[in-house]
Amino acid sequence: GAGVSQSPRYKVAKRGQDVALRCDPISGHVSLFWYQQALGQGPEFLTYFQNEAQLDKSGLPSDRFFAERPEGSVSTLKIQRTQQEDSAVYLCASSVRLAGGQQFFGPGTRLTVL
Amino acid sequence: GENVEQHPSTLSVQEGDSAVIKCTYSDSASNYFPWYKQELGKGPQLIIDIRSNVGEKKDQRIAVTLNKTAKHFSLHITETQPEDSAVYFCVASGGDDKIIFGKGTRLHILP
Repeated sequence: GAGVSQSPRYKVAKRGQDVALRCDPISGHVSLFWYQQALGQGPEFLTYFQNEAQLDKSGLPSDRFFAERPEGSVSTLKIQRTQQEDSAVYLCASSVRLAGGQQFFGPGTRLTVL
Repeated sequence: GENVEQHPSTLSVQEGDSAVIKCTYSDSASNYFPWYKQELGKGPQLIIDIRSNVGEKKDQRIAVTLNKTAKHFSLHITETQPEDSAVYFCVASGGDDKIIFGKGTRLHILP
């Protein structure tokens, strides 16, 4: 594919349920980023990978959030025991180089927690 | 850490007029300043970027200026068209590699 893809595009979860969001970055891109975008706000940084190494996870809001990129390509963001405040669009971006380069964003996954 | 302020939050301009969005940042180590456009239901898309060794950059109807001393950078869109209606985000990056987005400007182009 030509761009970053994310799945599912929409996810509705009941409070307390676990969810897994997938990101397929552009092939060959070294860096992968996850962001959380609340309604009417700018994206907020969650975590960042360089290949399979998670270099920064300081933006993850709680220990219920976990991200992995085991083979340095596809990444999964997992949220355990979802809460209503987790409702947001989760954006993934990839970059051919380290932070400080152009990021290409996927369409996002809209998570609604009831 | 880095803090990015963006103004205005909403901007309405007549088609054909110019639009200006302004941002300030706090971390003097930031060295990369992209601007993103986000349409409804889509991810942000890069429209122009500038690095700290340059004061101005232009791409057709879009230009960005950077004042490192004052820690200001601005987006200028000339001859606005209906398809320019969207939310625009400024970003400051570098320093400790954090990527910080402004809160966004919703731009309305009026017919």
